[in-house]
Amino acid sequence: DAMVIQNPRYQVTQFGKPVTLSCSQTLNHNVMYWYQQKSSQAPKLLFHYYDKDFNNEADTPDNFQSRRPNTSFCFLDIRSPGLGDAAMYLCATSRKASRGSYNEQFFGPGTRLTVL
Amino acid sequence: RKEVEQDPGPFNVPEGATVAFNCTYSNSASQSFFWYRQDCRKEPKLLMSVYSSGNEDGRFTAQLNRASQYISLLIRDSKLSDSATYLCAVNNGIKAAGNKLTFGGGTRVLVKP
Repeated sequence: DAMVIQNPRYQVTQFGKPVTLSCSQTLNHNVMYWYQQKSSQAPKLLFHYYDKDFNNEADTPDNFQSRRPNTSFCFLDIRSPGLGDAAMYLCATSRKASRGSYNEQFFGPGTRLTVL
Repeated sequence: RKEVEQDPGPFNVPEGATVAFNCTYSNSASQSFFWYRQDCRKEPKLLMSVYSSGNEDGRFTAQLNRASQYISLLIRDSKLSDSATYLCAVNNGIKAAGNKLTFGGGTRVLVKP
């Protein structure tokens, strides 16, 4: 089945220790997104890639970086995690926009990050 | 004012009853609208896209009111398994290849026997 996969599902890191979260997709979608979701809050878009074009949100901290080496994979790097970065990190994909397309986004299962 | 707002609930619904709730958005240029279902500690799952004419999928009906800038979701004959948080998502209206969505904070629905 075509899907969005995230690894690991749970990640524990220490304050300030870099961490990388991964996302892969078999949907062959052009667009990949990274969201941060804290408890009882809306998913918050950090950035997205349209193919290789990187689009950062204005309020995404510099501490968060991303890489997309190919269509299937996208990584979220947190350079120096703080206690406030503990959250669920969700990867999503969608087809590129086109006339008549609603561009639904499909989410992976998420990585729950704990910062000690 | 938030871009996308939802009543957080919870909506306590007797099994078999009907429940409806809205999501308001502030960007009049928004073009696409979605309802997602999110179970506790799980990812959002697409429930339905919301078409301008309104659409129905089984017990679920979604409506769009562009004039008042809100979308609605109605659940008929509620099942215990419908208990979840329902997130609305609205695109930013900018014509670009990536469809940026803004999510509401979710409406929690609890269906009770």
